[in-house]
Amino acid sequence: DVKVTQSSRYLVKRTGEKVFLECVQDMDHENMFWYRQDPGLGLRLIYFSYDVKMKEKGDIPEGYSVSREKKERFSLILESASTNQTSMYLCASSSRGQWGTEAFFGQGTRLTVV
Amino acid sequence: QQQVKQSPQSLIVQKGGIPIINCAYENTAFDYFPWYQQFPGKGPALLIAIRPDVSEKKEGRFTISFNKSAKQFSLHIMDSQPGDSATYFCAASIEGFKTIFGAGTRLFVKA
Repeated sequence: DVKVTQSSRYLVKRTGEKVFLECVQDMDHENMFWYRQDPGLGLRLIYFSYDVKMKEKGDIPEGYSVSREKKERFSLILESASTNQTSMYLCASSSRGQWGTEAFFGQGTRLTVV
Repeated sequence: QQQVKQSPQSLIVQKGGIPIINCAYENTAFDYFPWYQQFPGKGPALLIAIRPDVSEKKEGRFTISFNKSAKQFSLHIMDSQPGDSATYFCAASIEGFKTIFGAGTRLFVKA
């Protein structure tokens, strides 16, 4: 069974803290993504990576950074958490193909910044 | 433009009804149009997808209709069931790479 695993289901952090969200996939996928999900806004792409050590900004990268040191692991970093980063964070992975391929999602991390 | 616009935001139908969710896009470079289904507490999962060289695709009770000239596509759920109650996202991607999602539609099917 294919799997994308996010390290935490729920996190509560204080304003100004550095926050790490970890994601691991076991499908040997080249592409990995971080989205945030907010009511009425859908899934918005924060960052994505198409190879180890490669990263590209998505639509809302401000306040975030990422790290991909190994193919199976993609980390999202909030350098200094703020209350407007309270959200559901979803990691996804997909294989590289000429046409679109299915994205597999983790179960999400609900982050609350207080 | 990368945006994908989805409507309605929410939808309530009776069991057996045919809910229809619509999406529109601007970027003609999009070449893959998936729909994802999300249940509470879960990540989205691929439901059905279509490429722009096809006008319709059916998988079980789910049908995508695609209108390339209008840059619109829609999801129809035939004989809807309470178990179909979920949030549905349309999406679009380019060359198998990053995927842009619509805002989502919360569907509730009454028993």
